Amino acid sequence: SQQGEEDPQALSIQEGENATMNCSYKTSINNLQWYRQNSGRGLVHLILIRSNEREKHSGRLRVTLDTSKKSSSLLITASRAADTASYFCAYFTGGGNKLTFGTGTQLKVEL
Amino acid sequence: KAGVTQTPRYLIKTRGQQVTLSCSPISGHRSVSWYQQTPGQGLQFLFEYFSETQRNKGNFPGRFSGRQFSNSRSEMNVSTLELGDSALYLCASSDPTGNEKLFFGSGTQLSVL
Repeated sequence: SQQGEEDPQALSIQEGENATMNCSYKTSINNLQWYRQNSGRGLVHLILIRSNEREKHSGRLRVTLDTSKKSSSLLITASRAADTASYFCAYFTGGGNKLTFGTGTQLKVEL
Repeated sequence: KAGVTQTPRYLIKTRGQQVTLSCSPISGHRSVSWYQQTPGQGLQFLFEYFSETQRNKGNFPGRFSGRQFSNSRSEMNVSTLELGDSALYLCASSDPTGNEKLFFGSGTQLSVL
């Protein structure tokens, strides 16, 4: 299976703390994306990082990519209760718009 | 612009029946892909349609099929339902400018009894 793996599987933090999630993948990629899913609903695209980039920022999100280690991390700074969701890394495999997803990290941010 | 619309939102079927799920992509988007999400297997790619042609197919049995219409709306069909087909089925569309991000619908939650 080409499915990526994420750790931790679950993460519980207090509001205001930072949350870091890690993704490891198995194939060569052109880019890696992160998506968020609230409580069994649809996924929302958060950020995309290309294979020639090492770090990218978007608001409170910071993504890093290490293609030599086939790994990426997503950092959410100053987390809020509204950040409670599952987070998935994803990358294209096999052509077209076929995305392969990681196993996901469930983040819970408590007040 | 309206988002990706999936209908129905919830569906309950019994083993052996068949089911059809519908997906309307964002206006102007020509690619529609389908994913199955289960607690055990996670998110798995089913197939992708582009301009009414299947462009890519995941590793699912032939009971899973799909099609795309000239207005880019897509349907997927599952025949002879099995208990293991219970899942959240998500469809996604992507715009033709190639910005490489997918826009997902809210999904159809299928329960097979």
